[in-house]
Amino acid sequence: AQSVTQPDIHITVSEGASLELRCNYSYGATPYLFWYVQSPGQGLQLLLKYFSGDTLVQGIKGFEAEFKRSQSSFNLRKPSVHWSDAAEYFCAVGTSNDYKLSFGAGTTVTVRA
Amino acid sequence: GAVVSQHPSRVICKSGTSVKIECRSLDFQATTMFWYRQFPKQSLMLMATSNEGSKATYEQGVEKDKFLINHASLTLSTLTVTSAHPEDSSFYICSASTRGGRGEQYFGPGTRLTVT
Repeated sequence: AQSVTQPDIHITVSEGASLELRCNYSYGATPYLFWYVQSPGQGLQLLLKYFSGDTLVQGIKGFEAEFKRSQSSFNLRKPSVHWSDAAEYFCAVGTSNDYKLSFGAGTTVTVRA
Repeated sequence: GAVVSQHPSRVICKSGTSVKIECRSLDFQATTMFWYRQFPKQSLMLMATSNEGSKATYEQGVEKDKFLINHASLTLSTLTVTSAHPEDSSFYICSASTRGGRGEQYFGPGTRLTVT
């Protein structure tokens, strides 16, 4: 079965600074990888996804992520954060077997002025 | 595109009563819908997977007689929490995917259930 680890529970970053959120997955074959963002009391919004091909994927709101098979990682980055980026971020892995998603525990991002 | 709605967004019910939560795909046909439960400050826990016209598949540890799921059409799935108790209070989120979507799920805004 697949699993996801997000090592950072909480990250605080200054507005305008860069942000990187870590995600490591465990799965025997090529995974489908996703990053979602959740604002308080809301559902999840898809930021970006990786299925195959180019390992650097661009998403919405200026986010990007890089798939590194050798490190089993799919880290999320943003060059310059905005106060509106404060939210909970979830990395998820899916497979071609049943399309279920396994979510990481999430990383809370706080943006300070 | 790919919008999923949930109704109601918030519900308060008394212990022992049942409550129904609707999940609709507004602009696409959802061959598969998923129901998640999320506790405060925690990740999403998959409760069950439902395919249109067939019985839901429940994850281990989820009581299927307590959490009734119906996926009667390609745009509607319902979750009924039967004989609700305070420990059922949680945030319930549905998602939907399409055949061939390679696992991409579109999430609803969630329903906050409080059982008093």
